[in-house]
Amino acid sequence: DIQMTQSPSSLSASIGDRVTITCRASQSIGIYLNWYQQKPGKSPKLLIYGASSLQSGVPSRFSGSGSGTDFTLTISSLQPEDFATYYCQQSSVMSVTFGPGTEVHIK
Amino acid sequence: QMQLQESGPGLVKPSETLSLTCSVFGGSVSSSSDYWGWLRQPPGKGLEWIATIYFSGSTFYNSSLKSRVTISVDTSKNQFSLNVASVTAADTAVYYCARRSSNVAFDNWGQGTLVTVSS
Repeated sequence: DIQMTQSPSSLSASIGDRVTITCRASQSIGIYLNWYQQKPGKSPKLLIYGASSLQSGVPSRFSGSGSGTDFTLTISSLQPEDFATYYCQQSSVMSVTFGPGTEVHIK
Repeated sequence: QMQLQESGPGLVKPSETLSLTCSVFGGSVSSSSDYWGWLRQPPGKGLEWIATIYFSGSTFYNSSLKSRVTISVDTSKNQFSLNVASVTAADTAVYYCARRSSNVAFDNWGQGTLVTVSS
């Protein structure tokens, strides 16, 4: 199975900050990398698919980049509603795997 | 607007079989561009993919669960289902059903249902 890692595991940031979360795959996955946001008690929400494509309805402050094994999710200006846990997920094979998540807290 | 809804028992005894159904509204499980999946999240932990199915019956399983899991689809009812056999406390989790669309991501999720394994 393809293993996914994320860093940091958690971070504290202020409103308006630029936030970057990284995700690494144990082998090349091309651009088959998706990002999800999950708030407590809620289902995950797709933010980015194909490494850099913004899902419909997702604010443009979210962006994704990368290919191969290294990927990044960036929030350009953190808003109050962005405090959540973020997961990366590889979809290069049908046996998909998720990263362990990054919790974004209020500083 | 497509909606997915999980249903099934919230409490299952150890060694028994966990059975869940996902009903799809505002869309069709027979769509040629979509796959349908089950995922779970133990309390306080991360997301784990369980299985995916295509309307034709093609199935894909997490290798760590494959021996105990069965996913199926009922196109006449516009539903797909999950069975997990021989459950233990480690199978306690919120179970989600989701659509894997042509963008190769799970873009539509059910609200999730908590299943507790306990005697």
